[in-house]
Amino acid sequence: NAGVTQTPKFQVLKTGQSMTLQCAQDMNHNSMYWYRQDPGMGLRLIYYSASEGTTDKGEVPNGYNVSRLNKREFSLRLESAAPSQTSVYFCASSDLGGQGVPQHFGDGTRLSIL
Amino acid sequence: GENVEQHPSTLSVQEGDSAVIKCTYSDSASNYFPWYKQELGKRPQLIIDIRSNVGEKKDQRIAVTLNKTAKHFSLHITETQPEDSAVYFCAGGYQKVTFGTGTKLQVIP
Repeated sequence: NAGVTQTPKFQVLKTGQSMTLQCAQDMNHNSMYWYRQDPGMGLRLIYYSASEGTTDKGEVPNGYNVSRLNKREFSLRLESAAPSQTSVYFCASSDLGGQGVPQHFGDGTRLSIL
Repeated sequence: GENVEQHPSTLSVQEGDSAVIKCTYSDSASNYFPWYKQELGKRPQLIIDIRSNVGEKKDQRIAVTLNKTAKHFSLHITETQPEDSAVYFCAGGYQKVTFGTGTKLQVIP
C-alpha cells in the first residue's frame, strides 16, 4: 500500500518551460489536493478536487492547471514556468468528505526554476 | 477567506517538559481544525484534529483545545521527547482549510 505517490521527486526547469507533476493515490479517496510550500509561508492550496470530474481553485492558482484524470490520479501542470514557482509541491488525498482537509501527503516534488 | 495565525514561530523546551502552540482564526464559519507534524525534509503528517462542536480532544501525549468564542485553538504536547522535534502546522476552515505558518519545536535532551 503505497499511499500517495508523486513524480518526479526533483526537477530543474528553465523559465518558460512547461512540465506536469504527477500524483496518484491507492486509498480510494475522493478528494485530492495540490499544495506548494515555501519557507516561512506554510502550505498554500493551489487546486483541489473534491471528487472525480471536479476541480476548484485554491489560494494560489495562477500559473497552474490541473487534471483529475480518474479517481486515483491528479496532475498539476505549469504551462510556462517562472522563478516565482520555485517551491516544494505536495499532493495530498482525503476521505473526510466535504471538510477539505488533506489526510495523506506524498513525499513532495522539489522544483527549481532558473 | 480564512486567515490562520500561529505562534510562536520557534519553541525550545527541555525533554520532559510541555509544549504549547497557539493558533487564531478569523472566519466564524470555520468548523474543522487539524494539526500536522513535519519532520525535516519529510512530508506533513496529520496528527490530530478537532471539530467545532468539541472543546478538547486527547491522543496519548497530544491534546488540542478549541475556544470558539475567542477563535483560537491550541496544541499541547506533554512529556516531550527528542522525536517530537519537528515543525508543527495548524490549519482551520470550512470545506477548505488554511494553514498557519508553522512552529519549529526543538526538544533539548
